[in-house]
Amino acid sequence: DAKTTQPNSMESNEEEPVHLPCNHSTISGTDYIHWYRQLPSQGPEYVIHGLTSNVNNRMASLAIAEDRKSSTLILHRATLRDAAVYYCILSNTGNQFYFGTGTSLTVIP
Amino acid sequence: EAQVTQNPRYLITVTGKKLTVTCSQNMNHEYMSWYRQDPGLGLRQIYYSMNVEVTDKGDVPEGYKVSRKEKRNFPLILESPSPNQTSLYFCASSPRRMGLGTGEKLFFGSGTQLSVL
Repeated sequence: DAKTTQPNSMESNEEEPVHLPCNHSTISGTDYIHWYRQLPSQGPEYVIHGLTSNVNNRMASLAIAEDRKSSTLILHRATLRDAAVYYCILSNTGNQFYFGTGTSLTVIP
Repeated sequence: EAQVTQNPRYLITVTGKKLTVTCSQNMNHEYMSWYRQDPGLGLRQIYYSMNVEVTDKGDVPEGYKVSRKEKRNFPLILESPSPNQTSLYFCASSPRRMGLGTGEKLFFGSGTQLSVL
């Protein structure tokens, strides 16, 4: 299964942009790149996903490298409610995917 | 409200006593899946189901059973629980058969914290 590599933890000041990196050097052509986040004591929730092109939604932006071997989740203005563990996940038509341990984001007031 | 409901939220049991964790979704989703979350290991997939009567193993299926007799329900069964199955369990569902493989979103329940003594 294709795996992802993320930093264990990151910090950001409130109201500043946050760039969360993810490496996926073994990605295949059919793998989607998904981002989920898990707030304390909750199940993971969807943030954004993409295949080849950069994506924007009301929560975040996803920047995908041209060779697709890495991607970056961008939170444009971090708030205290964005403190969570962020997971970068690859999926393919085989229905197997790997959540990993994610990046724990701390937002400093 | 569209949701995935797991019960119970917390469960303490003893080794060998059969238990079932229920999962139900009200979104008419085809795909459902179970995960366990352990410190330092992240979320690992136990079993998944692409439709009624269709189930398949994930990465860590040993010691677990599932069934999918109805579209909305996907119970997780531990026939003889052991202490190494102490974990936080999540159920999830997705609209399409292939789940994330087609770019669909996963919707997660709130989790079941299981302790096996």
